[in-house]
Amino acid sequence: NAGVTQTPKFQVLKTGQSMTLQCAQDMNHEYMSWYRQDPGMGLRLIHYSVGAGITDQGEVPNGYNVSRSTTEDFPLRLLSAAPSQTSVYFCASSTPGRVREQYFGPGTRLTVT
Amino acid sequence: DQQVKQNSPSLSVQEGRISILNCDYTNSMFDYFLWYKKYPAEGPTFLISISSIKDKNEDGRFTVFLNKSAKHLSLHIVPSQPGDSAVYFCAASRLNSGNTPLVFGKGTRLSVIA
Repeated sequence: NAGVTQTPKFQVLKTGQSMTLQCAQDMNHEYMSWYRQDPGMGLRLIHYSVGAGITDQGEVPNGYNVSRSTTEDFPLRLLSAAPSQTSVYFCASSTPGRVREQYFGPGTRLTVT
Repeated sequence: DQQVKQNSPSLSVQEGRISILNCDYTNSMFDYFLWYKKYPAEGPTFLISISSIKDKNEDGRFTVFLNKSAKHLSLHIVPSQPGDSAVYFCAASRLNSGNTPLVFGKGTRLSVIA
């Protein structure tokens, strides 16, 4: 199993550009989530999904969209990037019975100039 | 308002000694607690967890203690090894409240000195 994979590893955007961060898992996990990590701020939840077709907002959802059309994939879309979205983004997944013990991807480092 | 607090941003410990990482929480509804470990340029990895019905959980060199009355938990690593050097995140959840997400602390950077 590849586990949780994220692409790209690094990305630089200009303010106003859009992009999609990709996340995929091959463990047949129903629960997937997106976090951002900023210096001194820990991990903050952006959006999460409890299964295909179901998504919900986390602590910091503004400026981000998600959809979940398959169990495997959970992309995160930035519609109009802002410098405040400069961060490291982590995708995670877990099984229904062990939702809290999440498997994290390696992260995407995003810089918005 | 920060619901999960790790008040020590960093900690240095000699190899072979005990490392104690602390975490406080404010929400009395939290009933499940976890510790994650993160190396640079990698995602966090789950380390150990504890339910509020217990006050201790042990896994090899790692032990988590929970003091519900004080809303405090701690992670003990004995003996500490250089490979334990990483950022440790405390997280809390309401296990019996459906899909309530995890709330993370800001992390403590542990350095184990050989």
